[in-house]
Amino acid sequence: GQQVMQIPQYQHVQEGEDFTTYCNSSTTLSNIQWYKQRPGGHPVFLIQLVKSGEVKKQKRLTFQFGEAKKNSSLHITATQTTDVGTYFCALLWGGNKLVFGAGTILRVKS
Amino acid sequence: KAGVTQTPRYLIKTRGQQVTLSCSPISGHRSVSWYQQTPGQGLQFLFEYFSETQRNKGNFPGRFSGRQFSNSRSEMNVSTLELGDSALYLCASSVGLANEQFFGPGTRLTVL
Repeated sequence: GQQVMQIPQYQHVQEGEDFTTYCNSSTTLSNIQWYKQRPGGHPVFLIQLVKSGEVKKQKRLTFQFGEAKKNSSLHITATQTTDVGTYFCALLWGGNKLVFGAGTILRVKS
Repeated sequence: KAGVTQTPRYLIKTRGQQVTLSCSPISGHRSVSWYQQTPGQGLQFLFEYFSETQRNKGNFPGRFSGRQFSNSRSEMNVSTLELGDSALYLCASSVGLANEQFFGPGTRLTVL
């Protein structure tokens, strides 16, 4: 079955609007990682969340790990054109395989 | 410090051929993972090597294999290429799968 569900698949926003992508797992996670891939580029690590209910911020980006450690979100406040790309969550499945979500493609209209 | 490097960056092959891709990890990283990225399937885990041993493997056929050398450099081999093997192949190095993965620029493989 599907180990991680990431939604939405695609979002097109006006510059200045907010953006959120969600990852949901069927099982409790030890940790979750988030990556960003610019068009034509490779995934770049953003952050890792480990603790239940954890909230971390990086400038306009806010990352949350659910209380039950089964879901996570990435929220961008006031998007800019530099935020364009695909955002992936990744989780360690079965302790021995890194599984990536399908990704959310973000497009920003200026 | 230098990042992850992959060679070649682009490759065109025909069906039935085989291909070998190379990945040089960040100095000090003993874990090297390989991923296949396609528009339809996203980022799929192929396998992970740590200190020359394959520790983990994804759900890919036996045509996909790899190895790691004592200097942590890794190679990935695909035999009997199929059209569906056309993809971006990414390698990532780290201190372990539970840690930050540093990705290389990838090798774009096209199978004709």
